[in-house]
Amino acid sequence: EDQVTQSPEALRLQEGESSSLNCSYTVSGLRGLFWYRQDPGKGPEFLFTLYSAGEEKEKERLKATLTKKESFLHITAPKPEDSATYLCAPSITGTASKLTFGTGTRLQVTL
Amino acid sequence: DGGITQSPKYLFRKEGQNVTLSCEQNLNHDAMYWYRQDPGQGLRLIYYSQIVNDFQKGDIAEGYSVSREKKESFPLTVTSAQKNPTAFYLCASSMVGTSYEQYFGPGTRLTVT
Repeated sequence: EDQVTQSPEALRLQEGESSSLNCSYTVSGLRGLFWYRQDPGKGPEFLFTLYSAGEEKEKERLKATLTKKESFLHITAPKPEDSATYLCAPSITGTASKLTFGTGTRLQVTL
Repeated sequence: DGGITQSPKYLFRKEGQNVTLSCEQNLNHDAMYWYRQDPGQGLRLIYYSQIVNDFQKGDIAEGYSVSREKKESFPLTVTSAQKNPTAFYLCASSMVGTSYEQYFGPGTRLTVT
């Protein structure tokens, strides 16, 4: 059975304190892995797609990496505006364009 | 200004009533999706459509129905058969092919009492 686990469930950082969020997946075949940011009461916002192990993508203070079994979202010197829930979602081969979402990591960045 | 619109933002209904949630996109995307989000759970796929006049059940389709008569529109009906309809409903769209990231609308919060 395809499974996606995100850890930690919640993370509190001080401004400037770097950290990483984890997305572990067990799927029959990975077509791509997606990262989204979601603010309370809003729809998820697309951040990155990773397609193969070793691939990295960056956007401002965020960098996403991918291995064969997990993906990391590294946050460097976060600011309060980075506070949000971060969702990962593998796309599994043979399932068209369907995504399987994890439950997310709720990040809070304080001054 | 391209994007996905969902209406209304908040919706209240009495138990036993059917209700239809609207989703429109002007991104010229072929595929559209409906998800449900509950506290502490990931997004769960209700229905999806990759082409006009065709759609497939997702993981939790029971108690829901959809139609795809136009490329731009993918309305979701929550029927009285849905046992726990109160939730946050999200619509998304994507291209079909090599670049298929999904873009989401702002969501509709449905409360059934």
